[in-house]
Amino acid sequence: DAKTTQPPSMDCAEGRAANLPCNHSTISGNEYVYWYRQIHSQGPQYIIHGLKNNETNEMASLIITEDRKSSTLILPHATLRDTAVYYCIDENTGNQFYFGTGTSLTVIP
Amino acid sequence: NAGVMQNPRHLVRRRGQEARLRCSPMKGHSHVYWYRQLPEEGLKFMVYLQKENIIDESGMPKERFSAEFPKEGPSILRIQQVVRGDSAAYFCASSRYTGELFFGEGSRLTVL
Repeated sequence: DAKTTQPPSMDCAEGRAANLPCNHSTISGNEYVYWYRQIHSQGPQYIIHGLKNNETNEMASLIITEDRKSSTLILPHATLRDTAVYYCIDENTGNQFYFGTGTSLTVIP
Repeated sequence: NAGVMQNPRHLVRRRGQEARLRCSPMKGHSHVYWYRQLPEEGLKFMVYLQKENIIDESGMPKERFSAEFPKEGPSILRIQQVVRGDSAAYFCASSRYTGELFFGEGSRLTVL
């Protein structure tokens, strides 16, 4: 079973920051947290991953708490094209990369 | 630099027929994963393969489903004697190492 917990859905106004939380309380010391998203029925798309430090790339920022039990994906200026299901994955699931049910983000004009 | 290529994109089969789904990983990637997604549901892991080896098939149904990743050529997911419940989108992903997965656009199987 999935080891991460995410809210099932969120709304965000266009142009505002979208903050998507994830709990991964069973994560171990050397395991990464990965974020993916799936737009409509397309193939999932890798967004970002991190271990301990906060990470930023051209798509998003990832904030990981000091105890590493939770993280937040930040889309700094959400656009309509960011409407998607966002998956937080704990590497603790081993080979299988359990995607769970994710958070369905709707960006509102 | 071509991404993960899956074909066919859409496949229609009658009950009892066989379905073969192909996945060509990205260049340089030796890890392949197959996932199934039923309508309105999340992605479910099926199998993880490396060249010529099945590493983890714990998500594969015990009967009718098989997967391979030969030394040459694409990875194949084979479903024998399809039933209506097999109708789903099947996604393949590849990676150079474990972790960052690159997904194809999926193969959508419809069983009549």
